[in-house]
Amino acid sequence: QVQLQESGPGLVKPSETLSLTCTVSGGSVNSRNDYWTWIRQPPGKGLEWIGYFYYGGSTSYKPSLKSRVTISADTSRNQFSLKLSSVTAADTAVYYCARLHSSRWPDGIGDWGQGTLVTVSS
Amino acid sequence: QSALTQPASVSGSPGQSITISCTGTSSDIGGFNYVSWYQQHPGKAPKLMIYEVTNRPSGVSNRFSGSKSGNTASLTISGLQAEDEANYYCCSYSTTSSLVFGGGTKLSVL
Repeated sequence: QVQLQESGPGLVKPSETLSLTCTVSGGSVNSRNDYWTWIRQPPGKGLEWIGYFYYGGSTSYKPSLKSRVTISADTSRNQFSLKLSSVTAADTAVYYCARLHSSRWPDGIGDWGQGTLVTVSS
Repeated sequence: QSALTQPASVSGSPGQSITISCTGTSSDIGGFNYVSWYQQHPGKAPKLMIYEVTNRPSGVSNRFSGSKSGNTASLTISGLQAEDEANYYCCSYSTTSSLVFGGGTKLSVL
C-alpha cells in the first residue's frame, strides 16, 4: 500500500513561488506504473487537478495553470514536488499529492496524501 | 475547460437509493469512457469509488454503481447508510489530456 505525505510552507506571499514536496513510501517515483499527481481544493470548494509527473520526466498539466506549474521527482529521496509560481490569493487551497496507477489511467486516482493547507497572504 | 456540472445537494433516507448526475460535454464525458467518482468526508482526503464509468476498486461496496449516457454520467448509491453522508465529486478525462472535476454534491442521509 503506497503512502504519501505532503510537506512545505503553510504560508506563501503573493507573487512568490509555492513549493511542496510529497514523500512516497511503499512505492517508487521511478516506477513505470505510476503517475505522481497533484490536486488542490480551495477552502469550501471543489477539487482541481493540477497535473502529474511520469517516469522519465514526462509531465501533463492543467492548461490554465501550465505557464506557472512544474512537477518533478527526486528519485534519490523518493519524493516528487510541485512548484507554482506567481501565486495569488486564488491559489489558497489544500494541496493533495496522489498516485495514479497505470492500470487505472487516467481517471482512477486511488492513493492520496492527507493534504496540506497553503495560504497565500502577505 | 469548465468544471463538470453536479447538483449542489441530494438527500435520501436510510435504505433508499439516490442518483447523482454529472454533466459535461463531448470534449470530456461524452468523448471518453473515463469517468470516476470520489467520496470525501469533511476534513479527509477523497476516496476513489468508481473509475472508467462503471468499475469499482476492491473494497468499495457494490451498493455504489456508475453509468453514462451521452454527456452525462451518474453515480447511484443503493441501500443508503448513514456513513454514505459525504461530498461526492465526478471526474472526467478531457480532450486537453487533463482531468476535469465536477463542483461536488453534498449527500445528506436523513
